Amino acid sequence: GAGVSQSPRYKVTKRGQDVALRCDPISGHVSLYWYRQALGQGPEFLTYFNYEAQQDKSGLPNDRFSAERPEGSISTLTIQRTEQRDSAMYRCASSLFGPGGDNEQFFGPGTRLTVL
Amino acid sequence: KQEVTQIPAALSVPEGENLVLNCSFTDSAIYNLQWFRQDPGKGLTSLLLIQSSQREQTSGRLNASLDKSSGRSTLYIAASQPGDSATYLCAVRNTGGFKTIFGAGTRLFVKA
Repeated sequence: GAGVSQSPRYKVTKRGQDVALRCDPISGHVSLYWYRQALGQGPEFLTYFNYEAQQDKSGLPNDRFSAERPEGSISTLTIQRTEQRDSAMYRCASSLFGPGGDNEQFFGPGTRLTVL
Repeated sequence: KQEVTQIPAALSVPEGENLVLNCSFTDSAIYNLQWFRQDPGKGLTSLLLIQSSQREQTSGRLNASLDKSSGRSTLYIAASQPGDSATYLCAVRNTGGFKTIFGAGTRLFVKA
Protein backbone atom coordinates (compact mmCIF):
# COMPACT_ATOMS: atom_id res chain seq x y z
CA GLY A 1 0.00 0.00 0.00
CA ALA A 2 0.99 3.64 -0.22
CA GLY A 3 3.35 5.03 2.35
CA VAL A 4 3.43 8.46 3.92
CA SER A 5 3.47 11.18 1.29
CA GLN A 6 4.50 14.81 1.64
CA SER A 7 4.13 17.77 -0.65
CA PRO A 8 5.74 19.73 -2.00
CA ARG A 9 9.02 17.82 -2.04
CA TYR A 10 10.94 21.09 -2.45
CA LYS A 11 9.88 24.60 -1.53
CA VAL A 12 11.86 27.77 -2.09
CA THR A 13 10.40 30.93 -0.64
CA LYS A 14 11.45 34.44 0.19
CA ARG A 15 11.91 35.65 3.72
CA GLY A 16 8.66 36.92 5.18
CA GLN A 17 6.37 34.69 3.13
CA ASP A 18 4.08 32.07 4.63
CA VAL A 19 4.43 28.41 3.65
CA ALA A 20 2.18 25.38 4.12
CA LEU A 21 3.60 21.89 4.09
CA ARG A 22 1.32 18.92 3.63
CA CYS A 23 1.49 15.41 5.02
CA ASP A 24 -0.73 12.52 3.94
CA PRO A 25 -0.24 9.63 6.40
CA ILE A 26 -0.71 5.95 5.75
CA SER A 27 -4.43 5.26 5.53
CA GLY A 28 -5.92 4.40 8.90
CA HIS A 29 -2.96 5.56 10.93
CA VAL A 30 -4.04 7.25 14.12
CA SER A 31 -0.84 9.02 15.14
CA LEU A 32 0.95 11.69 13.13
CA TYR A 33 4.23 13.41 13.95
CA TRP A 34 6.06 16.38 12.48
CA TYR A 35 9.85 16.72 12.68
CA ARG A 36 12.51 19.07 11.42
CA GLN A 37 15.92 17.75 10.41
CA ALA A 38 19.10 19.74 9.95
CA LEU A 39 21.96 18.36 7.89
CA GLY A 40 24.00 15.78 9.79
CA GLN A 41 21.53 15.62 12.67
CA GLY A 42 18.66 13.38 13.66
CA PRO A 43 15.09 14.63 13.29
CA GLU A 44 13.89 17.09 15.93
CA PHE A 45 10.34 16.60 17.23
CA LEU A 46 7.89 19.41 16.50
CA THR A 47 4.37 18.18 17.25
CA TYR A 48 2.13 15.13 17.63
CA PHE A 49 -1.50 14.41 16.67
CA ASN A 50 -3.77 11.65 17.92
CA TYR A 51 -6.48 11.66 15.25
CA GLU A 52 -7.39 15.34 14.95
CA ALA A 53 -6.26 16.26 18.45
CA GLN A 54 -2.91 18.01 18.74
CA GLN A 55 -1.69 16.43 21.96
CA ASP A 56 1.85 17.70 22.05
CA LYS A 57 3.18 20.87 20.44
CA SER A 58 6.09 21.34 22.77
CA GLY A 59 8.62 21.14 19.95
CA LEU A 60 7.24 23.98 17.87
CA PRO A 61 10.02 26.59 18.08
CA ASN A 62 7.84 29.70 18.25
CA ASP A 63 4.38 31.00 17.47
CA ARG A 64 5.13 31.35 13.75
CA PHE A 65 4.80 27.59 13.54
CA SER A 66 1.41 25.90 13.68
CA ALA A 67 -0.07 22.59 12.59
CA GLU A 68 -3.50 21.12 12.09
CA ARG A 69 -5.12 17.82 11.22
CA PRO A 70 -8.80 18.76 11.03
CA GLU A 71 -10.27 15.44 9.91
CA GLY A 72 -7.76 13.14 11.53
CA SER A 73 -6.01 12.32 8.27
CA ILE A 74 -4.07 14.89 6.22
CA SER A 75 -2.04 17.37 8.23
CA THR A 76 -0.64 20.78 7.37
CA LEU A 77 2.36 22.45 8.99
CA THR A 78 2.28 26.20 8.46
CA ILE A 79 5.17 28.56 8.96
CA GLN A 80 4.29 32.24 8.93
CA ARG A 81 6.71 35.06 8.10
CA THR A 82 9.48 32.63 7.23
CA GLU A 83 13.06 33.36 8.23
CA GLN A 84 16.30 31.98 6.82
CA ARG A 85 16.83 29.91 9.97
CA ASP A 86 13.64 27.98 9.11
CA SER A 87 15.46 26.37 6.16
CA ALA A 88 15.57 22.62 6.83
CA MET A 89 14.07 19.27 5.86
CA TYR A 90 10.60 18.91 7.35
CA ARG A 91 9.52 15.31 7.87
CA CYS A 92 6.23 13.73 8.73
CA ALA A 93 5.68 10.28 10.24
CA SER A 94 2.62 8.23 11.07
CA SER A 95 1.92 5.19 13.18
CA LEU A 96 -1.01 2.84 13.29
CA PHE A 97 -1.97 3.16 16.92
CA GLY A 98 -2.64 5.97 19.33
CA PRO A 99 -0.54 6.83 22.36
CA GLY A 100 -0.88 3.43 24.03
CA GLY A 101 0.10 1.34 21.03
CA ASP A 102 3.44 0.11 19.82
CA ASN A 103 3.82 3.24 17.70
CA GLU A 104 6.28 2.11 15.10
CA GLN A 105 6.77 5.27 13.09
CA PHE A 106 6.85 5.35 9.29
CA PHE A 107 8.35 8.40 7.66
CA GLY A 108 7.55 10.29 4.50
CA PRO A 109 10.19 11.55 2.06
CA GLY A 110 10.23 15.04 3.57
CA THR A 111 9.89 18.58 2.26
CA ARG A 112 13.11 20.50 1.72
CA LEU A 113 12.38 24.14 2.63
CA THR A 114 14.77 26.86 1.57
CA VAL A 115 14.15 30.43 2.70
CA LEU A 116 16.06 33.03 0.72
CA LYS B 1 15.48 16.06 29.79
CA GLN B 2 16.09 13.04 27.59
CA GLU B 3 19.31 13.05 25.59
CA VAL B 4 20.26 10.40 23.06
CA THR B 5 23.86 9.81 22.03
CA GLN B 6 25.18 7.52 19.31
CA ILE B 7 28.74 6.32 19.21
CA PRO B 8 30.67 6.15 16.98
CA ALA B 9 29.63 9.02 14.73
CA ALA B 10 31.13 7.19 11.76
CA LEU B 11 32.36 3.69 11.10
CA SER B 12 34.08 2.03 8.16
CA VAL B 13 34.35 -1.77 7.98
CA PRO B 14 35.23 -4.37 5.33
CA GLU B 15 32.46 -6.42 3.84
CA GLY B 16 31.55 -9.51 5.86
CA GLU B 17 32.35 -8.10 9.29
CA ASN B 18 29.91 -8.26 12.17
CA LEU B 19 29.46 -4.88 13.81
CA VAL B 20 27.74 -3.15 16.71
CA LEU B 21 26.28 0.34 16.77
CA ASN B 22 25.64 1.95 20.13
CA CYS B 23 22.88 4.19 21.41
CA SER B 24 22.71 5.61 24.92
CA PHE B 25 19.97 7.63 26.61
CA THR B 26 19.95 9.59 29.85
CA ASP B 27 16.40 8.94 31.11
CA SER B 28 15.51 5.27 31.59
CA ALA B 29 11.75 5.97 31.72
CA ILE B 30 11.23 5.13 28.08
CA TYR B 31 8.14 3.79 26.34
CA ASN B 32 9.97 2.35 23.36
CA LEU B 33 13.11 2.65 21.26
CA GLN B 34 13.24 2.47 17.47
CA TRP B 35 16.16 2.02 15.08
CA PHE B 36 16.05 3.60 11.63
CA ARG B 37 18.19 3.62 8.53
CA GLN B 38 18.63 6.75 6.43
CA ASP B 39 20.21 6.71 3.00
CA PRO B 40 21.76 9.94 1.67
CA GLY B 41 19.10 12.38 0.55
CA LYS B 42 16.36 9.93 1.41
CA GLY B 43 13.77 9.39 4.11
CA LEU B 44 14.00 7.21 7.21
CA THR B 45 13.27 3.49 7.04
CA SER B 46 12.16 1.71 10.19
CA LEU B 47 14.36 -1.26 11.09
CA LEU B 48 13.34 -2.44 14.54
CA LEU B 49 11.08 -1.27 17.37
CA ILE B 50 11.71 -2.43 20.94
CA GLN B 51 9.05 -1.89 23.59
CA SER B 52 10.21 -0.99 27.09
CA SER B 53 9.26 -4.46 28.34
CA GLN B 54 11.38 -6.21 25.72
CA ARG B 55 15.08 -7.02 25.78
CA GLU B 56 15.71 -7.53 22.08
CA GLN B 57 14.23 -7.70 18.62
CA THR B 58 15.55 -9.45 15.52
CA SER B 59 14.97 -8.98 11.81
CA GLY B 60 17.13 -10.90 9.39
CA ARG B 61 20.76 -9.95 9.94
CA LEU B 62 19.81 -7.26 12.43
CA ASN B 63 19.46 -7.66 16.19
CA ALA B 64 18.67 -4.81 18.54
CA SER B 65 18.98 -5.07 22.30
CA LEU B 66 17.69 -2.83 25.05
CA ASP B 67 18.98 -2.37 28.60
CA LYS B 68 16.80 0.29 30.18
CA SER B 69 18.54 0.32 33.52
CA SER B 70 21.87 1.22 31.97
CA GLY B 71 20.31 3.47 29.33
CA ARG B 72 21.73 1.58 26.38
CA SER B 73 20.69 -0.06 23.16
CA THR B 74 22.84 -1.78 20.58
CA LEU B 75 22.18 -2.63 16.97
CA TYR B 76 24.10 -5.69 15.82
CA ILE B 77 24.57 -6.19 12.08
CA ALA B 78 25.80 -9.62 11.03
CA ALA B 79 27.85 -10.27 7.90
CA SER B 80 27.81 -6.67 6.73
CA GLN B 81 27.32 -5.88 3.04
CA PRO B 82 28.06 -2.77 0.97
CA GLY B 83 24.29 -2.26 0.72
CA ASP B 84 24.22 -1.72 4.49
CA SER B 85 26.08 1.56 4.01
CA ALA B 86 23.83 4.28 5.41
CA THR B 87 23.26 6.38 8.52
CA TYR B 88 21.68 4.51 11.41
CA LEU B 89 19.54 6.48 13.86
CA CYS B 90 18.06 5.48 17.17
CA ALA B 91 15.03 7.22 18.62
CA VAL B 92 13.54 7.09 22.09
CA ARG B 93 10.01 7.88 23.19
CA ASN B 94 9.59 8.59 26.89
CA THR B 95 6.73 7.38 29.02
CA GLY B 96 4.04 9.91 29.77
CA GLY B 97 4.53 11.84 26.57
CA PHE B 98 4.62 11.74 22.81
CA LYS B 99 7.93 13.40 22.04
CA THR B 100 10.45 11.17 20.28
CA ILE B 101 14.11 12.08 20.71
CA PHE B 102 16.61 11.07 18.05
CA GLY B 103 20.34 10.60 18.23
CA ALA B 104 22.56 12.23 15.63
CA GLY B 105 23.21 8.86 13.99
CA THR B 106 26.14 6.64 13.08
CA ARG B 107 27.30 6.85 9.49
CA LEU B 108 28.30 3.35 8.35
CA PHE B 109 30.42 2.56 5.31
CA VAL B 110 30.91 -1.07 4.31
CA LYS B 111 33.77 -1.54 1.87
CA ALA B 112 33.51 -4.17 -0.85
